[in-house]
This record gives sequence, structure tokens and C-alpha cells, in this order.
Amino acid sequence: NAGVMQNPRHLVRRRGQEARLRCSPMKGHSHVYWYRQLPEEGLKFMVYLQKENIIDESGMPKERFSAEFPKEGPSILRIQQVVRGDSAAYFCASSSGGPRAQYFGPGTRLLVL
Amino acid sequence: SQQGEEDPQALSIQEGENATMNCSYKTSINNLQWYRQNSGRGLVHLILIRSNEREKHSGRLRVTLDTSKKSSSLLITASRAADTASYFCATDAGGSGGSNYKLTFGKGTLLTVNP
Repeated sequence: NAGVMQNPRHLVRRRGQEARLRCSPMKGHSHVYWYRQLPEEGLKFMVYLQKENIIDESGMPKERFSAEFPKEGPSILRIQQVVRGDSAAYFCASSSGGPRAQYFGPGTRLLVL
Repeated sequence: SQQGEEDPQALSIQEGENATMNCSYKTSINNLQWYRQNSGRGLVHLILIRSNEREKHSGRLRVTLDTSKKSSSLLITASRAADTASYFCATDAGGSGGSNYKLTFGKGTLLTVNP
């Protein structure tokens, strides 16, 4: 009964490098959400995806950030040319859709040096 | 104040006591969810209460929802040291014609249960 899986759990990048974060939703869930949490803050919505579709990316910065959820494989959140301000915990959640409970993964903690 | 704002910011109690945390929000909602986050860890889903429900129980947890006051409370009875964590409420905005998937979180209540 695996929950939402995220990897890596910790990621260190130097400024200008790319960060690639992966999320495998809970079994039976086809809806994936990415959130970002800055220190001492609550989570902020970034993007909502279903298989092969981006439904809502209104919380994601227009530049350098992209997300995908291919037909096969995990959802990927990609951050190009990282800057120090990208340092945060990135959480993925999944659900069976609609106004239902979202179940969160353990998060990826990104540190940009 | 932002949607899904918890109160108090921090709460310290002794083991065995009850802990009550409150959450206020602004827009109409479909549901309200409570989550727990241990330091440096992911979020654990505790309970979801729908907008047409007033109270819900799960083990030692009791959640109430007052849509007229746009507020919710989370009560943890007979607290344990292991309950030490941050607690967040999260709301969607589906009830106001907005998205029913985009959760808005507050900054959380840090609960410390002293043994």
C-alpha cells in the first residue's frame, strides 16, 4: 500500500544548474499536484496535472519552471538555471480527483548553493 | 489575513491535556482538510470535513466546521508527546465557483506536547 513517492529526498545544486524532482502518485490516483514550502511558511500551490495534461499552472513561475506527467512514469518538476531563492521543500500530492483528500509525499528538499 | 489561517501560531501543553487549534478562511469552500507535519517531514492527511458537515471524529481527533463564521477547529484529546508537530488547515475555493483542487494552506500551528 505504497503512498506518494518522491525522489530524491534531498537535492543540492549550484546556481545555474538544473533540478529535476520526481513524484509517483498513490496507486489508483491520476491527479498530481505540486506545492512549494518555504521555511516557516505554509505550502503554496504550484501546478495541477493529470496524465499528459497540465490543468492549472497558475502557481508556477513562468520562467525556468516546468512540469509534466507523462502517460508512463512519474510526474517531473523541472527547475532550470536554479537560483538561491529556489531553495525550498517541494511536495507532491495525489488524489482521485475533484474535491477529495490530497495525499502528500515526503517532499524533496532543494538546496541551491 | 490569508485563506486558511491557523490560530494560535504555537501551543504548548502537557501530555494528557487536550489541544485545540483554530482555522479561519475567507471564501466559500467545498471542504476543509487538516494535515500534520513533523519537523522536516511530509504532510500527513488527518481528516477532511465537507462544507455540509458540522462535526467529524477520527480517533482522538474532533473537527468542527462553522461555515457561517468561516472557521474550523481541530481538537486533539488526551494528547501524547508523539502529537508534537505542526498542524495545517487547507481549504479549496470550490464553493465560490473557484477551483476545488487548489488547496490554500495557512502557516500552521506548532503544537508541543511535553511529557
